[in-house]
Amino acid sequence: DGGITQSPKYLFRKEGQNVTLSCEQNLNHDAMYWYRQDPGQGLRLIYYSQIVNDFQKGDIAEGYSVSREKKESFPLTVTSAQKNPTAFYLCASSARQGRAGNTIYFGEGSWLTVV
Amino acid sequence: QQQVKQSPQSLIVQKGGIPIINCAYENTAFDYFPWYQQFPGKGPALLIAIRPDVSEKKEGRFTISFNKSAKQFSLHIMDSQPGDSATYFCAAGIGGSARQLTFGSGTQLTVLP
Repeated sequence: DGGITQSPKYLFRKEGQNVTLSCEQNLNHDAMYWYRQDPGQGLRLIYYSQIVNDFQKGDIAEGYSVSREKKESFPLTVTSAQKNPTAFYLCASSARQGRAGNTIYFGEGSWLTVV
Repeated sequence: QQQVKQSPQSLIVQKGGIPIINCAYENTAFDYFPWYQQFPGKGPALLIAIRPDVSEKKEGRFTISFNKSAKQFSLHIMDSQPGDSATYFCAAGIGGSARQLTFGSGTQLTVLP
């Protein structure tokens, strides 16, 4: 089935550790996104990528890093510099960059908790 | 100017009622206004979307009303059902912008049986 696969679904991180969230899509979409969701704050854009080997910072990029080595993959690393990483992380993709009106498809999300 | 303000934060209606969720924006460059529905533990899914050249769009029991001069748009759910209980997000986007969408803060809707 076509879609966006995020893993793991649940992840626990100790203070000072880096963790990487995986996102894979088989929709042949050019653009991919990472959002963070906190209660009462909606979805906030962390990073986005329009094409392989290129990505841009969103509104809350500090403490996060990404890579886009393959069209179908856009992993997110939550670094130890992110002071409040506990949240629900959503990966998304859309068919063509720079075209509002293209539906954004979301993955099932990953819960990250700092212990 | 990128902000999209959504209200109310939560809403409880009886089955068959018509919940209304409102959103307002400041950036007049926005030209695409979708609504997303999210069930607990799942990613959001596109519900319905509108462009500013129309004042209303209806798909099944879901209707978007758009007021360009007031810079406001709203979602109406006709004959609401318990299965409609979810969190609803409005969003706004700019044509040609790679950033795509700016989301509202969400409305948690509960439809009582």
